[in-house]
Amino acid sequence: IAGITQAPTSQILAAGRRMTLRCTQDMRHNAMYWYRQDLGLGLRLIHYSNTAGTTGKGEVPDGYSVSRANTDDFPLTLASAVPSQTSVYFCASSAGQGGDIQYFGAGTRLSVL
Amino acid sequence: GQNIDQPTEMTATEGAIVQINCTYQTSGFNGLFWYQQHAGEAPTFLSYNVLDGLEEKGRFSSFLSRSKGYSYLLLKELQMKDSASYLCAVRDSNYQLIWGAGTKLIIKP
Repeated sequence: IAGITQAPTSQILAAGRRMTLRCTQDMRHNAMYWYRQDLGLGLRLIHYSNTAGTTGKGEVPDGYSVSRANTDDFPLTLASAVPSQTSVYFCASSAGQGGDIQYFGAGTRLSVL
Repeated sequence: GQNIDQPTEMTATEGAIVQINCTYQTSGFNGLFWYQQHAGEAPTFLSYNVLDGLEEKGRFSSFLSRSKGYSYLLLKELQMKDSASYLCAVRDSNYQLIWGAGTKLIIKP
């Protein structure tokens, strides 16, 4: 059972470049989430999707966009990367919205220079 | 505003007991979660409390007092593999999780 797969594992990106972080789950979960985790701060929600075809903004959505064309995939796009977007990005999913147990991918470590 | 407080770091000895506290102030309350996160890895679910009291699961127990906005995670018979960060998260009135910054637990032999 794969669970949640994120790609790439890590990436170094030049400022101003466009980047898409991929996230795929095989648990048929309805809800999916993107978080960023920075040293000394809690996980912060970027965007979420309660079900395929719908998305919502989290706490820190600026500079990021998402789409949810189907149940399994939830890509996160940085249209024009900036150094403040250097972080570890986690994708997660849950059977129901928000409050259910969330299962996390292994993360993508992104450095924007 | 919404706020979740946890100690930044704690140290304990192998075989001992440690209690990690979490206090919260959120817009509504619909449950509290504890997750474990080893360095460089993803968070994994440990426990969930929605009613006051103690939930026991093997060596780990979690306690909740809604009136005090307080929870703790109790780890017994500590093992070296318990060295990790422990994240407290509260489900708010919008059913979104608000996360604390985590407590790094260091276990010494």
